[in-house]
Amino acid sequence: SQQGEEDPQALSIQEGENATMNCSYKTSINNLQWYRQNSGRGLVHLILIRSNEREKHSGRLRVTLDTSKKSSSLLITASRAADTASYFCATGGRTGANNLFFGTGTRLTVIP
Amino acid sequence: DSGVTQTPKHLITATGQRVTLRCSPRSGDLSVYWYQQSLDQGLQFLIQYYNGEERAKGNILERFSAQQFPDLHSELNLSSLELGDSALYFCASSKRGGGDTEAFFGQGTRLTVV
Repeated sequence: SQQGEEDPQALSIQEGENATMNCSYKTSINNLQWYRQNSGRGLVHLILIRSNEREKHSGRLRVTLDTSKKSSSLLITASRAADTASYFCATGGRTGANNLFFGTGTRLTVIP
Repeated sequence: DSGVTQTPKHLITATGQRVTLRCSPRSGDLSVYWYQQSLDQGLQFLIQYYNGEERAKGNILERFSAQQFPDLHSELNLSSLELGDSALYFCASSKRGGGDTEAFFGQGTRLTVV
């Protein structure tokens, strides 16, 4: 399956600390995306990193991709209580594969 | 607001019944994805359409079917409903398929089968 798996399943940190979530996947990909979901709501796109990129930044977010290890990490720096949410990685397949598979998510709780 | 509209927001129905969930994608997006999310679970990919044609199929039950119409809106039909079908059903749209661009999600339809 192309489905990613996030690790850890749950993470609890104090406000101001950094949060790191990892994603592993099994097959070759074109790109990897990270999404955020507030409880019971639709997912919101955070960042897309292509298979030929190793690192990407967006505000307080830093994403890395290691295609040799088939893994990615999402770092949220200086976390805020409003960052409390579930975070999912999603993989898009090689050309011809039109699906977008999501992992099981990391539930992040930021304690004020 | 993502620009993706799903209706209805909530649906309560009895076992054995049939329901239709509707999704209007963002203007200009050709690709529509359907996902099922059970309580505290990840998103299970069901099916994807691109410009009216089925492009990819995931873990979609035979009791479920979907289509994308010429105006690009999509419907997901769930029949012979069982208690285990209770879940959040999300629709997402993107300009292209293959996960090459970001997908925009609707707010979901919460289906409760009683």
